[in-house]
Amino acid sequence: KQEVTQIPAALSVPEGENLVLNCSFTDSAIYNLQWFRQDPGKGLTSLLLIQSSQREQTSGRLNASLDKSSGRSTLYIAASQPGDSATYLCAVKGSNYQLIWGAGTKLIIKP
Amino acid sequence: DAMVIQNPRYQVTQFGKPVTLSCSQTLNHNVMYWYQQKSSQAPKLLFHYYDKDFNNEADTPDNFQSRRPNTSFCFLDIRSPGLGDAAMYLCATSRDLTDVNIQYFGAGTRLSVL
Repeated sequence: KQEVTQIPAALSVPEGENLVLNCSFTDSAIYNLQWFRQDPGKGLTSLLLIQSSQREQTSGRLNASLDKSSGRSTLYIAASQPGDSATYLCAVKGSNYQLIWGAGTKLIIKP
Repeated sequence: DAMVIQNPRYQVTQFGKPVTLSCSQTLNHNVMYWYQQKSSQAPKLLFHYYDKDFNNEADTPDNFQSRRPNTSFCFLDIRSPGLGDAAMYLCATSRDLTDVNIQYFGAGTRLSVL
């Protein structure tokens, strides 16, 4: 059974720092991995989707990497801003229609 | 403009008193999902509708039911809420089951059980 883990559960850093969020999964047989952002009162928004054949995806200040063999993904945020404060969740898609979610990392960027 | 709308945003109910949460969509998507998310936990899929076909996850309690009277609306009914059912309930849609990565989420309904 696929399990997705995100460590740490919470992270607080000063504005301007580069940071890395981690996601690990137990079964490397995935179709893709997706990073989401969750803001209070605004639901979830997809940030980046990495297919199993890809190593990384970039969008603006965000870069997500995928290492299937080790069961790991990282989300790199460059030059963090207070507006980046949110909970970041990763989810993997296996052979069925479901997404298997991590519990998220709550990120606080201090001005 | 919001494409997936959940009402109410906050719901307080009493232990054992039935409650219904509402979700509507303007995307004309075939699939509607209901997730339960407890504090600091991953979203847990309860069930989904593909058009009128209802698909219940194996570990979803019988206490949870759903209705989809038309393409636009989907309801989550909790027949006898317990304290353990207090959570955020998220509704999402996708055009098709193969588009599970392209889900549109509502803002959620936070349910409190007293």
